[in-house]
Amino acid sequence: GNSVTQMEGPVTLSEEAFLTINCTYTATGYPSLFWYVQYPGEGLQLLLKATKADDKGSNKGFEATYRKETTSFHLEKGSVQVSDSAVYFCALSEGAGGTSYGKLTFGQGTILTVHP
Amino acid sequence: EPEVTQTPSHQVTQMGQEVILRCVPISNHLYFYWYRQILGQKVEFLVSFYNNEISEKSEIFDDQFSVERPDGSNFTLKIRSTKLEDSAMYFCASRGDGQETQYFGPGTRLLVL
Repeated sequence: GNSVTQMEGPVTLSEEAFLTINCTYTATGYPSLFWYVQYPGEGLQLLLKATKADDKGSNKGFEATYRKETTSFHLEKGSVQVSDSAVYFCALSEGAGGTSYGKLTFGQGTILTVHP
Repeated sequence: EPEVTQTPSHQVTQMGQEVILRCVPISNHLYFYWYRQILGQKVEFLVSFYNNEISEKSEIFDDQFSVERPDGSNFTLKIRSTKLEDSAMYFCASRGDGQETQYFGPGTRLLVL
């Protein structure tokens, strides 16, 4: 079955530091890949996505590139802010159609704390 | 911007009691989902719902669980006889036709005592 593995957390950084959160996946087909973010006390929000190999998703300074050859979708940001403190989830979906109705398979989440 | 809403935000219940968790998906969406997250663990898929029937369900979604779309706007998850291990955050999500992105509600935190 499908699975997603994220780097162990928590991650603690100083403001303006570079962020990388690793994500690798196992899938039987050609999944779409997502990063969701959960701010304290809130639900899951889509941060960015990529639907095919070599696509780069980007939003709010965050980027991730769909690497089929390494089955990875690492999240990066060049300069983090205190407001980026949250839990980040990598996820995949086999997409609609066929036998899948687009359910998401999540990684375990990575807690990011950014200090001033 | 349209959003998915869930009620209640918190629910405390006694073991063996029935609970109903409610969700209002985004109005023109056609695919609906429930996920749960036990404290400290992954977000897990429970069930997907399309065209007024279950389209896919996980091993977790056993006979004690049921879903319903009673009135064209609400989407509910019922747990018939709660167990201690049902304590978790339950998320509802919805997706539009032809779209990849699922939009999540803020979750209901369920505590079974």
